[in-house]
Order: sequence, then C-alpha cells, then structure tokens
Amino acid sequence: DAGVIQSPRHEVTEMGQEVTLRCKPISGHDYLFWYRQTMMRGLELLIYFNNNVPIDDSGMPEDRFSAKMPNASFSTLKIQPSEPRDSAVYFCASSGTSGGREQFFGPGTRLTVL
Amino acid sequence: GQSLEQPSEVTAVEGAIVQINCTYQTSGFYGLSWYQQHDGGAPTFLSYNALDGLEETGRFSSFLSRSDSYGYLLLQELQMKDSASYFCAVRGQGGKLIFGQGTELSVKP
Repeated sequence: DAGVIQSPRHEVTEMGQEVTLRCKPISGHDYLFWYRQTMMRGLELLIYFNNNVPIDDSGMPEDRFSAKMPNASFSTLKIQPSEPRDSAVYFCASSGTSGGREQFFGPGTRLTVL
Repeated sequence: GQSLEQPSEVTAVEGAIVQINCTYQTSGFYGLSWYQQHDGGAPTFLSYNALDGLEETGRFSSFLSRSDSYGYLLLQELQMKDSASYFCAVRGQGGKLIFGQGTELSVKP
C-alpha cells in the first residue's frame, strides 16, 4: 500500500491567495483527519470525517478554512484567503474502523504564506 | 476542556532507559496513544493503551493509569535513531485525537 498521499508537498503563496491541499487516504480506511502543526500550537486537529461525512470541525480556525471529502479516496482542505499566520505543516491522516486507535499520517504539506 | 502535559525535552545516552510521562485532563477518555516524529517527518504510531497496565512492543512499552490520568512511554536500549519528538495523545469519542505538545528526546553517544 502506498500509504496516505498528500499534495503538494510544499506550497509557497502570497497573502490573499487561495490554497488547496489534497489528500488520498489509505484504501479501505473509514476515517480521515486533517491536522495543522506549528511550533507555537503543536499538532492540532482541524476536522475529521467518517465515511466521507464531516463529524467534528470544531478545530477549524475560522471561515477561511473549509474541507470536503467528495468520495472515500479524496479530501481537500482549502484556505481562502490565505494569511501569513496560516503558515504551518498540514497533515492528513487516515484510520480504519477502529477510529483513532492507530492513525496513519501522510508526509504533510509545508505551507508558507508570504 | 482538554489538556495534556509532557516534558518538553529529555536527554539520555545510548543504551540507557528513558521514561516520558504524560498527564491529561479530558472528558470522554477512550485511550492514550503515543506517536514518534522525526524532524521533517510525519508522526508514526507507537502504541495505544485503552486499559490500565503495561503494553510492550519490542524496545518500547507504554503504561496507563486511568484513575491517575497518567501514562508513560518507556524506551529501552536507546539508540541514536530514537532521537525524535514523542507525543502522547488522548483518544476521544469518534476516534478524535488530542495531542500533547511533544517531548524532544536527544540520545547522546
């Protein structure tokens, strides 16, 4: 199995631009999680899906952030408009029917907003 | 609210044993997980405790005491490659994980 796939691996953009991060979970996994990691705030859960349905989005910072999961093999996290404080590493993770017992993380997208 | 506390840094020598503690305050506790993260890499799963007691996986062991809201990760026979950040994470309802701030382990020769 290829593991969780994320793209792009690196993204540099200017303030005000729209950013779209993509994730392909491990085939057969029912849960998909989006995290953000920064030095100041650590690893934060933004939102998670179960069977393509958003279950908890309480970690989404504000309305500029949105996430979708149109099917079992694809999810996006969109930031519009982006701001410098959004600079972070964004991880996508997936897990099987056991939920959070073991989550498999993708390599992350390092986002820099200038 | 939910909070986890773990030491920010730990240093040990190769071949030694090190214990990384984690205390938590949370509602809806289902279990405690541990993850390892090397610089520039993704977190990788190490262990999970849902019940009190010790879980052993090779050189790594993890312990949980639900009554004390406390757990630890024990690393034995330390190797240089064990230098990394270690995160405890509380599992809540629906598989949601809340991570601690991480402990940076430095293994010296």
